[in-house]
Amino acid sequence: RKEVEQDPGPFNVPEGATVAFNCTYSNSASQSFFWYRQDCRKEPKLLMSVYSSGNEDGRFTAQLNRASQYISLLIRDSKLSDSATYLCVVNKGFGGGADGLTFGKGTHLIIQP
Amino acid sequence: DGGITQSPKYLFRKEGQNVTLSCEQNLNHDAMYWYRQDPGQGLRLIYYSQIVNDFQKGDIAEGYSVSREKKESFPLTVTSAQKNPTAFYLCASSISKGNGVGEQYFGPGTRLTVT
Repeated sequence: RKEVEQDPGPFNVPEGATVAFNCTYSNSASQSFFWYRQDCRKEPKLLMSVYSSGNEDGRFTAQLNRASQYISLLIRDSKLSDSATYLCVVNKGFGGGADGLTFGKGTHLIIQP
Repeated sequence: DGGITQSPKYLFRKEGQNVTLSCEQNLNHDAMYWYRQDPGQGLRLIYYSQIVNDFQKGDIAEGYSVSREKKESFPLTVTSAQKNPTAFYLCASSISKGNGVGEQYFGPGTRLTVT
């Protein structure tokens, strides 16, 4: 299994719909999980951290499933402005050092009017 | 206004020339990082630094060099030894000191084209 694996998409979704995508990770010792958003030709921006209990920020919900080693991102009532690439980011495990984040290649989301 | 700045936004160089990319942060973060991103690829770590005057190689350090003389600054030099230097270079910083669990914040990036 790759360190961090995401479906590259693209996911074509009508405006107002709900969309969800998952990311799997290989290191069972990983402790920190994040979703970043990257617009075309721009830098990644932190969307949200993912906590063990799951967390919600407005229309976005992130969940962690340690047993199956995946994290998910749910976007409700999708907007045109949600069109972007979503990067799954996982730390390499306890004591992994400052080089400890692994970035997935991203899932490309296109919201259609 | 706190943040990370990178300059220039676009950079063009001839093959065989060294080039230095600038990265400055005023977030008072201890750790700083350099990544490169190629089309359709994930970010790959070049170098990172947890503290002033100290830095470590990442996954693809060959052909690159860095310095960390000030907390705020972490310049990256792309040397002529780098085989495929054309890429999008991203600098990041984080508040974490070496435990790899903190969020990283990115600068706007520098697009380097070498011909």
